[in-house]
Amino acid sequence: SQTIHQWPATLVQPVGSPLSLECTVEGTSNPNLYWYRQAAGRGLQLLFYSVGIGQISSEVPQNLSASRPQDRQFILSSKKLLLSDSGFYLCAWSLRVSVSGNTIYFGEGSWLTVV
Amino acid sequence: AQKVTQAQTEISVVEKEDVTLDCVYETRDTTYYLFWYKQPPSGELVFLIRRNSFDEQNEISGRYSWNFQKSTSSFNFTITASQVVDSAVYFCALSEADRGSTLGRLYFGRGTQLTVWP
Repeated sequence: SQTIHQWPATLVQPVGSPLSLECTVEGTSNPNLYWYRQAAGRGLQLLFYSVGIGQISSEVPQNLSASRPQDRQFILSSKKLLLSDSGFYLCAWSLRVSVSGNTIYFGEGSWLTVV
Repeated sequence: AQKVTQAQTEISVVEKEDVTLDCVYETRDTTYYLFWYKQPPSGELVFLIRRNSFDEQNEISGRYSWNFQKSTSSFNFTITASQVVDSAVYFCALSEADRGSTLGRLYFGRGTQLTVWP
């Protein structure tokens, strides 16, 4: 069965410091990978998605970036964090097929507090 | 324009009561998919159900049931005989036909916080 794991689970970082959140998927090949953010008020926002190694699409301009160095690894980064980057970050995956409506499965999430 | 509306921000019930969570969606596509996710206090989003726009049959899974009505653009979720463990935020989401750039885009509602009291 497929599993998704992301870390760290909780992070407190000062403003201006770098960020690296990592996510890995097991039990499947060539998945679509996603980063979502859930800010206060519970809204879920798609930040990045990837259909393959090195292929990243950004949905929202910001000071965050994403990379996919390996097929099942997805990394969310920032060179300098802002207070507004605080939130709950969720990595997710879906099957790599060309039809829409694939179910997206989420990781455990990472709580980021920028102080 | 908001794609998915969950008008109920918070609902509180007592254990064993039935509760219905409302979801109204908006789309111009004839092919689309609807989802429900559960987010317990731990934070992880748990997939509950996926329905496509061609299948309007209601579905029942244990104490959970879903009522999909295209005529009213609604996809409501009912929990029968609620339990304390059902306490969570529940999200309804919509995925439209793949246009390449929208791959993987789920439009989420803002969620309904359900609290079940013992």
